[in-house]
Amino acid sequence: AQSVAQPEDQVNVAEGNPLTVKCTYSVSGNPYLFWYVQYPNRGLQFLLKYITGDNLVKGSYGFEAEFNKSQTSFHLKKPSALVSDSALYFCAVRDIGSGTYKYIFGTGTRLKVLA
Amino acid sequence: SQTIHQWPATLVQPVGSPLSLECTVEGTSNPNLYWYRQAAGRGLQLLFYSVGIGQISSEVPQNLSASRPQDRQFILSSKKLLLSDSGFYLCARTRQGAVYGYTFGSGTRLTVV
Repeated sequence: AQSVAQPEDQVNVAEGNPLTVKCTYSVSGNPYLFWYVQYPNRGLQFLLKYITGDNLVKGSYGFEAEFNKSQTSFHLKKPSALVSDSALYFCAVRDIGSGTYKYIFGTGTRLKVLA
Repeated sequence: SQTIHQWPATLVQPVGSPLSLECTVEGTSNPNLYWYRQAAGRGLQLLFYSVGIGQISSEVPQNLSASRPQDRQFILSSKKLLLSDSGFYLCARTRQGAVYGYTFGSGTRLTVV
């Protein structure tokens, strides 16, 4: 079965410091991995994805994520956090066995950047 | 454009009343369409998905139903709302193809009172 885990309910970081939001996954084949961000009362917005190629993926708003196959992880990172980065972040993996492009989401991590 | 239109943005309904939430999409034809519910601002629960007109798959047995009368229209319904139906409902789409992620609508906040 495919699954994705976000072990931290909340991450607090001071503005200007680097941030990491953790994600681990379990799939039977090659994973398609995504990060989404959600601001209050809004839909989810796409940040970045890993399909194949370089393990370091760059995305929107200065975010990047590192795919680590041996650790089955896809952690989201940013070198210098902004207060405006405060939001709910979701990691997702594609269920390649379903045939319907159904994505499995983690439970979300609330990022709080402190001024 | 892969725009998704969802309405209404907010809705307050009494227990026992019917529900109809509509989602329409622009862009590529024959998209896969999804309804998710988000409770308490956290995890996403997949309710229904559709790979074509009239084709609906239910993920969780509950008080809701879905229909896809047209290629780019996806409707979430209930005959009688329960308090537990309150939540934030999100419509999403993917394009046919292995590497595309979701595009989400802006959501409907439903409060059942």
